[in-house]
Amino acid sequence: DAGVIQSPRHEVTEMGQEVTLRCKPISGHNSLFWYRQTMMRGLELLIYFNNNVPIDDSGMPEDRFSAKMPNASFSTLKIQPSEPRDSAVYFCASSANRGSTDTQYFGPGTRLTVL
Amino acid sequence: KQEVTQIPAALSVPEGENLVLNCSFTDSAIYNLQWFRQDPGKGLTSLLLIQSSQREQTSGRLNASLDKSSGRSTLYIAASQPGDSATYLCAVRPKRKDQAGTALIFGKGTTLSVSS
Repeated sequence: DAGVIQSPRHEVTEMGQEVTLRCKPISGHNSLFWYRQTMMRGLELLIYFNNNVPIDDSGMPEDRFSAKMPNASFSTLKIQPSEPRDSAVYFCASSANRGSTDTQYFGPGTRLTVL
Repeated sequence: KQEVTQIPAALSVPEGENLVLNCSFTDSAIYNLQWFRQDPGKGLTSLLLIQSSQREQTSGRLNASLDKSSGRSTLYIAASQPGDSATYLCAVRPKRKDQAGTALIFGKGTTLSVSS
């Protein structure tokens, strides 16, 4: 089992540039989550999908952020235009969503630095 | 709104000590509570998951308890080792009336340092 795969692992970009983060969930999992981790706010949910459909995007900071899940094995999180305050570690997680016993499995994260 | 708090924020102990990490949450309407470990620059590893109907879970030297009515959980680490040094995160999965699938709400973690 390869686990949750995220790419890139590190991204350094300049303010105003578009950034795309990618995630491949564990095969067979039908829930996918995007979280952001900062020193100030800790780990916070951005958005999650169930069966490729966005269920809760209340954590998406603003219109500069968008997320898609075109199929069960791939999701993207896009920031356009990026700003220095977007610098954080972005985690993707997946779960089988079989009910209350679910465990979420986290990817290694993408460390984003916006200069 | 559900809030999760972890105390202390940081803890330093000598090798061999038993220790307790604390987690509190404001809303008892949860499916479960999980404890995660995060090593510097790494992702999260699930340590223990306690269902809302359970009181505790054990794995090796780790024991997690849950008192849902008081909104508290503890993670007990026995005979600590330098390899236990990491950040420990507590997270609850809140119940929603409309659907079963919900995301986790995390505390900010306790950073543990075990010296040899």
